[in-house]
Amino acid sequence: QVQLQESGPGLVKPSQTLSLTCTVSGGSISSGDYYWSWIRQPPGKGLEWIGYIYYSGSTYYNPSLKSRVTISVDTSKNQFSLKLSSVTAADTAVYYCARGSYSGSYDVDYWGQGTLVTVSS
Amino acid sequence: EIVLTQSPATLSLSPGERATLSCRASQSVSSYLAWYQQKPGQAPRLLIYDASNRATGIPARFSGSGSGTDFTLTISSLEPEDFAVYYCQQRSNWRVTFGQGTRLEIK
Repeated sequence: QVQLQESGPGLVKPSQTLSLTCTVSGGSISSGDYYWSWIRQPPGKGLEWIGYIYYSGSTYYNPSLKSRVTISVDTSKNQFSLKLSSVTAADTAVYYCARGSYSGSYDVDYWGQGTLVTVSS
Repeated sequence: EIVLTQSPATLSLSPGERATLSCRASQSVSSYLAWYQQKPGQAPRLLIYDASNRATGIPARFSGSGSGTDFTLTISSLEPEDFAVYYCQQRSNWRVTFGQGTRLEIK
């Protein structure tokens, strides 16, 4: 059973960089069948795709966030990470890491529990 | 960018009734559409992928249909645990987006 677990600070100051790591267990992050994604959800609102990374390192970022986002992968640790720079209160959200199928609808079949990140001074 | 529009925003029904949720894409996404269910305080759960395929462990009362720009999630007979928020999600080339969600509430 694949499990994903987010880790990182729950509070980030405005203009700083938000950094989260997702640790994957029960499966290899190097599987060519899947991509590894970050998705966020502001309190009381809908889901927003941040971006994803393939084990080879190729990435896709949401164009609305592209200038501030970096997603990286560490296959030796079975982890992938998110960095979001120059954060504002609008970046306050529950951040999910997730595994998606690298075919068809790119559907997400495994999700982390989510971690709330608040941007505040 | 392909925009997904879900309707209605809120659907009020009773247990045992049939639910029909709609997701319309601003341009064709072929069959590259998935549906998720989200309950308060939980991560979303995959229900349907590639427009009409049920994910592992999803009850048969959930079904998906459509292709191109118009898609439907149908719950044939609502159980109490089905009242939640439902999202559709598409991918076009390498881009992925979600719809804004439909809240299914108990009438």
